[in-house]
Amino acid sequence: EIVLTQSPGTLSLSPGERASLSCRASQSVSSSYLAWYQQKPGQAPRLLIFGTSSRATGIPDRFSGSGSGTDFTLTISRLEPEDFAVYYCQQYGNSHSFGQGTKLEIK
Amino acid sequence: QVQLQESGPGLVKPSETLSLTCAVSGYSISRGDYWGWIRQPPGKGLEWIGSTYYSGSSYYNPSLMSRVSISVDTSKNQFSLRLSSVTAADTAVYYCARHILYCNSSSCSLNWFAPWGQGTLVTVSS
Repeated sequence: EIVLTQSPGTLSLSPGERASLSCRASQSVSSSYLAWYQQKPGQAPRLLIFGTSSRATGIPDRFSGSGSGTDFTLTISRLEPEDFAVYYCQQYGNSHSFGQGTKLEIK
Repeated sequence: QVQLQESGPGLVKPSETLSLTCAVSGYSISRGDYWGWIRQPPGKGLEWIGSTYYSGSSYYNPSLMSRVSISVDTSKNQFSLRLSSVTAADTAVYYCARHILYCNSSSCSLNWFAPWGQGTLVTVSS
């Protein structure tokens, strides 16, 4: 089983700032099969990024994904008030597993 | 537009079987892709439970495989989850989602989940 470790656990930033969220895998994720989701309180997760760097339909271009092997990053270039939420990574190269999440909170 | 809606009992007794159904609208589940279940214990992260194809082919999380069964009813355009011998550790919000299947010339793979249902809280307690 591939274990995904997200860091930091909580990230405190202000609107307009740049956010970088990390997802590290316990072994290499084949073919960059990694996705990112956003979850707001009381809501279901929403797909943001798939295939490491492809944005899902309707996702603003301030969201971008990068990485390969065991290290992946979700970057939000300029934070909007609606971006403060919990973010999860998911690998689908070897079965399916999720990271424990990073909470992005307003500073 | 694909929409999913979970339904089922919100309270299950320990050692009994949890049963949930996911109704799909705006898309025929027989068209393709897999259909999956994911759960989230209160205040915790996400755990994939398993996914099924309209033909009945299913894949399960190895950690839950001995207790899980997912089935499909194409006539009702819905799929269902059964989790047996539940304990308090199975208390969670249960989500259903479309599990994207991608095939190239040589192989197919199960990928990301989109969209998701709104989720339903199931509490295991006597």
